[in-house]
Amino acid sequence: AQSVTQPDIHITVSEGASLELRCNYSYGATPYLFWYVQSPGQGLQLLLKYFSGDTLVQGIKGFEAEFKRSQSSFNLRKPSVHWSDAAEYFCAVGAHLGGGSNYKLTFGKGTLLTVNP
Amino acid sequence: DAGVIQSPRHEVTEMGQEVTLRCKPISGHDYLFWYRQTMMRGLELLIYFNNNVPIDDSGMPEDRFSAKMPNASFSTLKIQPSEPRDSAVYFCASSPRGRLYEQYFGPGTRLTVT
Repeated sequence: AQSVTQPDIHITVSEGASLELRCNYSYGATPYLFWYVQSPGQGLQLLLKYFSGDTLVQGIKGFEAEFKRSQSSFNLRKPSVHWSDAAEYFCAVGAHLGGGSNYKLTFGKGTLLTVNP
Repeated sequence: DAGVIQSPRHEVTEMGQEVTLRCKPISGHDYLFWYRQTMMRGLELLIYFNNNVPIDDSGMPEDRFSAKMPNASFSTLKIQPSEPRDSAVYFCASSPRGRLYEQYFGPGTRLTVT
């Protein structure tokens, strides 16, 4: 079964600083990978996705992520953080199970981002 | 376009009572998902539907939980009887045909069972 690990429960950065959120996955085949963001009291919003091809993917709000197969990682980055980026970030891996239409999206436990002024 | 709509946003009930959570997916989406989020277990998939048909309910914790999708624009998640350990935020999400991985989440229902 697939799994996702986000090693950092909570990260604090200063506004304007760069950001990298770590994500490691476990899956036997080429995974579909995602990053979602959850603002307080809100549902999850899709930031970006990787299916195949270019291993550096661009998303909304200035975020990007890089797929590294050798490291089983899909880290999220942003060159300059804004106060509005404070939220919880979830990495997820999607896979079809046993072929057919049975599918599952497995989420990590999340990383809470605090932005200091 | 309206996003995924969930009601109620907050529900407080006593142990043993029946609870019904409701979801209206984005119009035209073929897939509908129910998730539960807790501090201890994170975000878990409970069940999902494709064209109103349940595909995988292996995440439903026990027989007290049931979900239905009588038509393309409405789904319910019912807990009967409710227990304190069911307290969580329940999310509904939907995704378009051929893009089931691109899930659009509703704002969630925060359930508290006392």
